[in-house]
Amino acid sequence: SQQGEEDPQALSIQEGENATMNCSYKTSINNLQWYRQNSGRGLVHLILIRSNEREKHSGRLRVTLDTSKKSSSLLITASRAADTASYFCATKDNAGNMLTFGGGTRLMVKP
Amino acid sequence: DTGVSQDPRHKITKRGQNVTFRCDPISEHNRLYWYRQTLGQGPEFLTYFQNEAQLEKSRLLSDRFSAERPKGSFSTLEIQRTEQGDSAMYLCASSSTGGAGTEAFFGQGTRLTVV
Repeated sequence: SQQGEEDPQALSIQEGENATMNCSYKTSINNLQWYRQNSGRGLVHLILIRSNEREKHSGRLRVTLDTSKKSSSLLITASRAADTASYFCATKDNAGNMLTFGGGTRLMVKP
Repeated sequence: DTGVSQDPRHKITKRGQNVTFRCDPISEHNRLYWYRQTLGQGPEFLTYFQNEAQLEKSRLLSDRFSAERPKGSFSTLEIQRTEQGDSAMYLCASSSTGGAGTEAFFGQGTRLTVV
């Protein structure tokens, strides 16, 4: 079963706009990670946020985590056509043994 | 060795045949994971190893599936008597044993098509 749920399931924006994706999860976590997947390819790790962190930045990416609401958001600023991909959140539980993924957000950035 | 590698990248097999996939993790990583991903869905956990020990298996891993990591390095995933429902992308990931800051790195996956 999948723990996380991403919202929206699909998002279409113009190049240069910002894209925001949300993730909700159900159980206590150790950390939350965001991954990108281009069509038919493997997953690329984007950013990890620990349960005691509230916000993290990496380049054009900004991730927030609200453990009281069991939710996270991924913001991609100044989007590019190359950002077109599926984005998944994944949580690691307190036992720290495995990642549980959500269903993903399919992002299309139009040039 | 710059990442996790999986072989083959694609496999087409007839229903009822056995298939085996291989995963080579990042060399210093002692944890290795197998996931399955169907079209339009997120990856689902199958099993993981710490060194050569298989520590957890999902209920998705039926008795037709077996995974090994004999020397704590590469791993194989075998599916016996394949069914059409086994068609999916099989993803392997590796990580070090760590705490809250441990990242998992994925391979490119093996896409299985059962006809």
